[in-house]
Amino acid sequence: QSALTQPRSVSGSPGQSVSISCTGTSSDVGSYNFVSWYQQHPGKAPKLMIYVVSNRPSGVPDRFSASKSGNTASLTISGLQAEDEADYYCCSYAGTYVFGTGTKVTVL
Amino acid sequence: QLQLQESGPGLVKPPETLSLTCTVSGASISSESYYWVWIRQPPGQGLEWIGSIYHTRSTNYNPSLKSRVTISVDTSKNQFSLNLGSVTAADTAVYYCARAISSWDAFDIWGQGTMVTVSS
Repeated sequence: QSALTQPRSVSGSPGQSVSISCTGTSSDVGSYNFVSWYQQHPGKAPKLMIYVVSNRPSGVPDRFSASKSGNTASLTISGLQAEDEADYYCCSYAGTYVFGTGTKVTVL
Repeated sequence: QLQLQESGPGLVKPPETLSLTCTVSGASISSESYYWVWIRQPPGQGLEWIGSIYHTRSTNYNPSLKSRVTISVDTSKNQFSLNLGSVTAADTAVYYCARAISSWDAFDIWGQGTMVTVSS
């Protein structure tokens, strides 16, 4: 059960869009639509941002969107804001659960 | 408002057993719509799912930890617990308890986390 692969870091200026990829295998991301995304600010607990590939829980801004194609899921943040600077993790069901390696989003 | 709170020792000696409890307030731990999980995060590293427990009391564990992990529930206290045996320094981490929505298979409510250090 290897961790899903994410870029170590991405960055963008306020107002720009950034995307984070989450690459798994045909045994996890490729087989299940139970892909979720979490935002984690330093010293804080993770927060659910996306569930079942592309759904936003109540209260999550619509600037956050997500999709999946084959073995790769993606999270896009549009209209980047200062408060979006955080670590982001994807997670996939695979009989058990596997998280991504994490991506640090920096707002320039 | 649903809240989860982890409690337990902050320091554990190897090769003893790490024991943590998660107290759930604001909702019944017996609901069929949810299940309950433990997740950990070593310092400076990513998240690792440890295991889940369901309203039927059945469990599902991370294969890499399965031989050392037990998750149980006490419905009378609205709590669930984690026991991790034969700990080493590699088990040093922030341990989170969380609620998962069954139909989403996602973790929507998290505790604040508790730091556990394994050291002699």
